[in-house]
Amino acid sequence: AQSVTQLGSHVSVSEGALVLLRCNYSSSVPPYLFWYVQYPNQGLQLLLKYTSAATLVKGINGFEAEFKKSETSFHLTKPSAHMSDAAEYFCAVRISGTYKYIFGTGTRLKVLA
Amino acid sequence: DADVTQTPRNRITKTGKRIMLECSQTKGHDRMYWYRQDPGLGLRLIYYSFDVKDINKGEISDGYSVSRQAQAKFSLSLESAIPNQTALYFCATSDPGLVSGNTIYFGEGSWLTVV
Repeated sequence: AQSVTQLGSHVSVSEGALVLLRCNYSSSVPPYLFWYVQYPNQGLQLLLKYTSAATLVKGINGFEAEFKKSETSFHLTKPSAHMSDAAEYFCAVRISGTYKYIFGTGTRLKVLA
Repeated sequence: DADVTQTPRNRITKTGKRIMLECSQTKGHDRMYWYRQDPGLGLRLIYYSFDVKDINKGEISDGYSVSRQAQAKFSLSLESAIPNQTALYFCATSDPGLVSGNTIYFGEGSWLTVV
């Protein structure tokens, strides 16, 4: 069965530091992969997605993610954290051959001044 | 206006009561979903529907039912609410992939508290 694992339920970084949020997936075929962000009291907003066109995907707000098939990973990065990046981040995979989406358990990012 | 609208946004109900959460979308998508979010558990799929006549159970459908009244409307019901159904519920839609690559779009969520 396909699944998504996010390592670290809470991550803290200093403002201006590198943000790295980890996501590993299991899939027998090339997947569709997504990162979503959830700000307090809001719904989930798409940050970026991988659909096999390019392994390095750029998203909104300066975030990017790299698809690494050999590592079955799709980690989210941002070179310099901003206070406004504090939110919960979810990695998701679309189950191949279906329109069902599986989400990771989320990583809450805290940005320290 | 939001593309995916959920009502109510917040509701407190008593154990044993019937509660309905409604969702409407203006994106013209056929595919609609109900998810439940709990701290530390992420989002779990309750039900999904690929068109008006196609409704499917997700991983945690027990205690829930749904109705797809039209392409744009998908409601979730708790026939007899219990406290462990206290959660944040999300409605979502997805496109067929031709335009925006299978993206799933979410409403703003409905907070349900069962006391």
